Amino acid sequence: QVQLQQSGAELAKPGSSVKISCKASGYTFTSYYISWIKQTTGQGLEYIGYINTGSGGTNYNEKFKGKATLTVDKSSSTAFMQLSSLTPDDSAVYYCARDRMYTPFAYWGQGTLVTVSS
Amino acid sequence: ETVLTQSPTTTAASPGEKVTITCRASSSVSYMHWYQQKSGASPKLWIYDTSKLASGVPNRFSGSGSGTSYSLIISSIESEDAATYYCQQKSSDPPTFGAGTKLELK
Repeated sequence: QVQLQQSGAELAKPGSSVKISCKASGYTFTSYYISWIKQTTGQGLEYIGYINTGSGGTNYNEKFKGKATLTVDKSSSTAFMQLSSLTPDDSAVYYCARDRMYTPFAYWGQGTLVTVSS
Repeated sequence: ETVLTQSPTTTAASPGEKVTITCRASSSVSYMHWYQQKSGASPKLWIYDTSKLASGVPNRFSGSGSGTSYSLIISSIESEDAATYYCQQKSSDPPTFGAGTKLELK
């Protein structure tokens, strides 16, 4: 069965970076994009962007350009998202989701809690 | 970006009642998806392409709409339906979500 397994919770200091992972299994990894979504109590669900797992090409929501960097390791079927120059506003649960153009997010990871605090 | 406005923000219903959740888009979209999220869990795809039920979703749920107005309808609510429901569009970039409707059981 399709599974997306995300890395564990992160506690980071303001100004630092974190890199979270999303390991896929149960399907052909390069046949689908991986998208990333941010969830906060105040802002709800926000789309960050996607990575084409076959080519490594990326597309970012303008709001997250410069904040998020998406990469992929095809050999391990794992997608990564690095968040840089962290501020308390980056504290959130981050989800990865399997994606394909014009289709819904049918599979989601379990979420990774990122807490930014000094 | 296309802004999705859900109403109501919260609602409470008794078992057996009919519930309608509305999602209005700031510009026309081709279809709408809906997700159910329970506390501490990831969102689950619930209804896709406006009216198609995801696998395992009870047929008391239905979806309808077009253009800028879409709805998720529960014909006869049950206790397990208590959750937050989000609409989402992928017709235009970036994909956007509604703010959610929290459904409580009386």
